[in-house]
Amino acid sequence: GDSVTQMEGPVTLSEEAFLTINCTYTATGYPSLFWYVQYPGEGLQLLLKATKADDKGSNKGFEATYRKETTSFHLEKGSVQVSDSAVYFCALSADSSNTGKLIFGQGTTLQVKP
Amino acid sequence: NAGVTQTPKFQVLKTGQSMTLQCAQDMNHEYMSWYRQDPGMGLRLIHYSVGAGITDQGEVPNGYNVSRSTTEDFPLRLLSAAPSQTSVYFCASSAVPSAVISNQPQHFGDGTRLSIL
Repeated sequence: GDSVTQMEGPVTLSEEAFLTINCTYTATGYPSLFWYVQYPGEGLQLLLKATKADDKGSNKGFEATYRKETTSFHLEKGSVQVSDSAVYFCALSADSSNTGKLIFGQGTTLQVKP
Repeated sequence: NAGVTQTPKFQVLKTGQSMTLQCAQDMNHEYMSWYRQDPGMGLRLIHYSVGAGITDQGEVPNGYNVSRSTTEDFPLRLLSAAPSQTSVYFCASSAVPSAVISNQPQHFGDGTRLSIL
């Protein structure tokens, strides 16, 4: 079945460091890919998405490119801030039956230190 | 704009007790769903609804019931709580079911942290 695998955390960085969180997927067909962010005590918020191969999603300085050849959707940011500390979830939707179902990775905790 | 509201935020139950987790949205969204979040496992879909009067099972439906009598509300019921149901529960809604064709993201509530003793 469809699945998403993220790098294990926690990831601890100093402020202004470069961030990469790896995400790879397995899916039949052509899924859409998403990154969601969860700040402490809150629900998930959509960070960015890409709906077809070679699309680049971007938001708030974060970027991810849909790579069909490597089945990856790695999240990157050039200079992280303390306020970026959160849990990041990679997800896919291969929704041929129109159920709205999202399949999530296990989440990666990011801690940014001043 | 309240968005998706979940109540309660925290709850402790004893094994065998029943309870209902409430979820309400004020965005007139047709699609609503329930996920559970467990450490190291991400979010898993429990049940979903594509409109009032229509519900279906997700990935992990056992031990949970749902109903959708109105567009706004989508309660999740635990009929006989078990320790394995200790988790954080999230309700989500979106304007249309398919995340593929929609530019509308799924909106999540802040979660209900449930402990079963």
